[in-house]
Amino acid sequence: DQQVKQNSPSLSVQEGRISILNCDYTNSMFDYFLWYKKYPAEGPTFLISISSIKDKNEDGRFTVFLNKSAKHLSLHIVPSQPGDSAVYFCAASVLIQGAQKLVFGQGTRLTINP
Amino acid sequence: GAGVSQTPSNKVTEKGKYVELRCDPISGHTALYWYRQSLGQGPEFLIYFQGTGAADDSGLPNDRFFAVRPEGSVSTLKIQRTERGDSAVYLCASSRVQLTGGSHPSENTEAFFGQGTRLTVV
Repeated sequence: DQQVKQNSPSLSVQEGRISILNCDYTNSMFDYFLWYKKYPAEGPTFLISISSIKDKNEDGRFTVFLNKSAKHLSLHIVPSQPGDSAVYFCAASVLIQGAQKLVFGQGTRLTINP
Repeated sequence: GAGVSQTPSNKVTEKGKYVELRCDPISGHTALYWYRQSLGQGPEFLIYFQGTGAADDSGLPNDRFFAVRPEGSVSTLKIQRTERGDSAVYLCASSRVQLTGGSHPSENTEAFFGQGTRLTVV
């Protein structure tokens, strides 16, 4: 039972354009959502997060949107740069004793073409 | 170092052998997590430590897997009688713990990951 789904295994975008990565979840108990970026042979790196009490969070070129009624979130990157090429993981969390237990999607490989 | 450190970075072992994977968390992070990532999948939760104790070990696949954190810092993931299906990248992460009340995470509680240990069972 995949509680967090990223239905697009890959995405190719031209440099300078907007990249939109999507994520769906099924568990309404999730209260915090995060995006991680992963380069080969490295661990996931935290990118941006959003609490379930908000519908948008912006940090520089990165914006995360949350639609609770649709159980859907998306990551927008604009403008896209070649260094953004990586695998992006959506994750949802439930607080346990003050810490976050993460449930990850399968990942989307983003390729930015010059 | 400033980040989460995992050793070894690669481990090849024969089926049936015992392995230990080590994680050094970020100094001051009381929460420590182990995840496992199989090819083409996202990381899957294994176990979470709060200090020295395992607060949640619901993700451990079976009793061949065990993890310890005796002094509340370094953690070791132990796998007995390894099987080929155990081959994966094992990721460790650490984070601060939210001390205030409330149901939504406060800032600076996100998890920081190490580079992982790639385990291959042949």
